[in-house]
Amino acid sequence: AQSVTQPDIHITVSEGASLELRCNYSYGATPYLFWYVQSPGQGLQLLLKYFSGDTLVQGIKGFEAEFKRSQSSFNLRKPSVHWSDAAEYFCAVGEGGSYIPTFGRGTSLIVHP
Amino acid sequence: EAGVTQSPTHLIKTRGQQVTLRCSPISGHTSVYWYQQALGLGLQFLLWYDEGEERNRGNFPPRFSGRQFPNYSSELNVNALELEDSALYLCASSLVNNEQFFGPGTRLTVL
Repeated sequence: AQSVTQPDIHITVSEGASLELRCNYSYGATPYLFWYVQSPGQGLQLLLKYFSGDTLVQGIKGFEAEFKRSQSSFNLRKPSVHWSDAAEYFCAVGEGGSYIPTFGRGTSLIVHP
Repeated sequence: EAGVTQSPTHLIKTRGQQVTLRCSPISGHTSVYWYQQALGLGLQFLLWYDEGEERNRGNFPPRFSGRQFPNYSSELNVNALELEDSALYLCASSLVNNEQFFGPGTRLTVL
């Protein structure tokens, strides 16, 4: 069965600093990978996705993620964090066929001014 | 284009009561998914409906049930509410086997 691990429960960064959120997955074949963001009291918004092709994926709001098969990772990055990026971030892995993604438990991003 | 909508936004129930949550998918989407997001537990998959049929179910007791209507909107029913059912219930819609788009959720509090 597929699984997703987000090893960091909380991450604190200063505004303007770079960001990397970690995501590791367990899945036998090539997975579908996603990053979602959830602002307080809101639903989830898709930041980016990887299905196939170029392993460096560009998303909205200046985020990018890199699929590394050898490390079973799909880490999310942003070169310069803004205060509005403070939110909960979820990594998810899905598969083709009967597609239902499995979500990680989330990483809470705190941004200091 | 309107996104996924859910109603109500919030509700408070007492143990043993029953509740119905509603979800309207994005126009053209035939699949609806329900998730439970309890504090500190991430998103737990509840149910998947497509074309009016239940396609998959997560590891939840039978008192969690639902249905999908011909217009693809969906209801989630929870019977015999327990305290641990307190959570944010998220609905998502998609074209089959494609990325999910989430609604804002319904916050359920069970007292």
